[in-house]
Amino acid sequence: DVKVTQSSRYLVKRTGEKVFLECVQDMDHENMFWYRQDPGLGLRLIYFSYDVKMKEKGDIPEGYSVSREKKERFSLILESTSTNQTSMYLCASSLRSGGSSYNSPLHFGNGTRLTVT
Amino acid sequence: AQSVAQPEDQVNVAEGNPLTVKCTYSVSGNPYLFWYVQYPNRGLQFLLKYITGDNLVKGSYGFEAEFNKSQTSFHLKKPSALVSDSALYFCAVRDPSRGSTLGRLYFGRGTQLTVWP
Repeated sequence: DVKVTQSSRYLVKRTGEKVFLECVQDMDHENMFWYRQDPGLGLRLIYFSYDVKMKEKGDIPEGYSVSREKKERFSLILESTSTNQTSMYLCASSLRSGGSSYNSPLHFGNGTRLTVT
Repeated sequence: AQSVAQPEDQVNVAEGNPLTVKCTYSVSGNPYLFWYVQYPNRGLQFLLKYITGDNLVKGSYGFEAEFNKSQTSFHLKKPSALVSDSALYFCAVRDPSRGSTLGRLYFGRGTQLTVWP
């Protein structure tokens, strides 16, 4: 089974602090994603990466950055947290799309619930 | 532009009764459709997918979904609901005709399913 591991389940930070959210997958997947989940809004894509050192902005990249130095690891960085970044953050991975990989589902970690006070 | 709509925020059903969770989509190409389930404080788990072929697809835990191209729908169904099916359900679509956004999924806002004893 694919395992996607997010380093923290719960985090509480003060406004203005820098936060690193780490995600590691063990199935050699090319694609990795960061979503945030908010009630009534569903999942919104922040950033994704389809290869090492490659990244693309999702729908809500403002206030976030990412790092993909190794294939298995995708980090989400909040340079200076604000209260509107209080949310559940979900990391996911999948095989590279293209050809038969179009049918590859995303595999999710258990999420990190971040509270910014 | 891609979009996924889940018209019901909540679905309530008695145990043993059939359940349906609705999903409609809008993509520019042929859709790749997915259903996910989320239990409290967990990430999303893949249930089933439609890529091509038979319009009725079967997935995990006795769930199935019916693809209807003319109605652009992909409703999730189960013949006999269980209390343990109570969870948050997400429909998602991938449009393989897109370029650099290959691999990403667009999610609906989710439907909370409650099955009472």
